[in-house]
Amino acid sequence: AQSVTQLDSQVPVFEEAPVELRCNYSSSVSVYLFWYVQYPNQGLQLLLKYLSGSTLVKGINGFEAEFNKSQTSFHLRKPSVHISDTAEYFCAVKPGSNYKLTFGKGTLLTVNP
Amino acid sequence: DADVTQTPRNRITKTGKRIMLECSQTKGHDRMYWYRQDPGLGLQLIYYSFDVKDINKGEISDGYSVSRQAQAKFSLSLESAIPNQTALYFCATSDRTEANTGELFFGEGSRLTVL
Repeated sequence: AQSVTQLDSQVPVFEEAPVELRCNYSSSVSVYLFWYVQYPNQGLQLLLKYLSGSTLVKGINGFEAEFNKSQTSFHLRKPSVHISDTAEYFCAVKPGSNYKLTFGKGTLLTVNP
Repeated sequence: DADVTQTPRNRITKTGKRIMLECSQTKGHDRMYWYRQDPGLGLQLIYYSFDVKDINKGEISDGYSVSRQAQAKFSLSLESAIPNQTALYFCATSDRTEANTGELFFGEGSRLTVL
């Protein structure tokens, strides 16, 4: 079985500062990795995904994530955040051959002026 | 209009009442899911359906049932609601090809409060 650990439940930052949201996973097989974002009062939407190939993945709204197989991590980064990035971010993992997507518990990113 | 529509968006009910949450989609996807979100716990899978005749239990199916009335409609029922079923419920869909890549398309959620 796979699992996902998001190391920070809340991350407060100031506008225009860089941010990193941390995600570690465990799995006995190769996996696909995802970051979803949930804006207030909305459903989740896909931010970016790693399936194979380049370990640096770029997503929407200037976010990127790097897959590190040796450290079993998939941290999300943005060099300069905006107020509008305030949301909850979920890391998720899926074994390559399985339907099941396992979500982390989420990280609430709050961007302050 | 949203591709994945959930009704109702908010519902307050009492312990012991039967509740149905409905989900409809216009994406043409064959796979549909119901998730529950609790603060600090992330999302947990309640039921999933790969097509009209294929319905499966997820991680936390006790106390819930589902019905796939058509490819586009998937409803979640609480036969006798209890307070610890107070949560935000999400319906999601995926295409069978996209399902292999894990992308889900979510509705906006149904907030249920059981008093």
